[in-house]
Amino acid sequence: QQQVKQSPQSLIVQKGGISIINCAYENTAFDYFPWYQQFPGKGPALLIAIRPDVSEKKEGRFTISFNKSAKQFSLHIMDSQPGDSATYFCAASNDYKLSFGAGTTVTVRA
Amino acid sequence: DGGITQSPKYLFRKEGQNVTLSCEQNLNHDAMYWYRQDPGQGLRLIYYSQIVNDFQKGDIAEGYSVSREKKESFPLTVTSAQKNPTAFYLCASSIGTVPVAFFGQGTRLTVV
Repeated sequence: QQQVKQSPQSLIVQKGGISIINCAYENTAFDYFPWYQQFPGKGPALLIAIRPDVSEKKEGRFTISFNKSAKQFSLHIMDSQPGDSATYFCAASNDYKLSFGAGTTVTVRA
Repeated sequence: DGGITQSPKYLFRKEGQNVTLSCEQNLNHDAMYWYRQDPGQGLRLIYYSQIVNDFQKGDIAEGYSVSREKKESFPLTVTSAQKNPTAFYLCASSIGTVPVAFFGQGTRLTVV
């Protein structure tokens, strides 16, 4: 069974808008929460990551929000651009093993 | 250029044949991983190796085998015992305590 649940499956946003992707987990042993970006036919690339002792992390237009008590974390893409159109995966890890969400395909309309 | 090289990019095999996917890294990373990606299912861990000559099964190891004779190389063999081998296979590596930092570009295996 999937240990990390990701939603929505897909979303469409206008250029300049905000994309929000949510993930939830059950295993409280997870201690590292990365997000990956994947373009068609390519391998995923690490985008941004957070540890559970931090509630928010921002890198450029990408922000992770983390709610430890709710066991949820989310990715916000601010000022979305057509080049951000890709599939995004959340993941959670403990002991070197990553469990991935099912992915969210983001389409940014110009 | 440092990175992870997977070859070939596309691979076709007949049902019942074993096939080996290559993964080489020049990042000097200790840990290497193999993931399988199917549409709508995210990535699932097949095998991982933290040091040379040692590897562990992931969540879906049945029908697969690996070796780690060199730090730079972590080949994956898809055996005839794997019931649904057609998929996109991704190799990855990491250093230190970051579980997966870099992915290769993947090998798309089609079994006919």
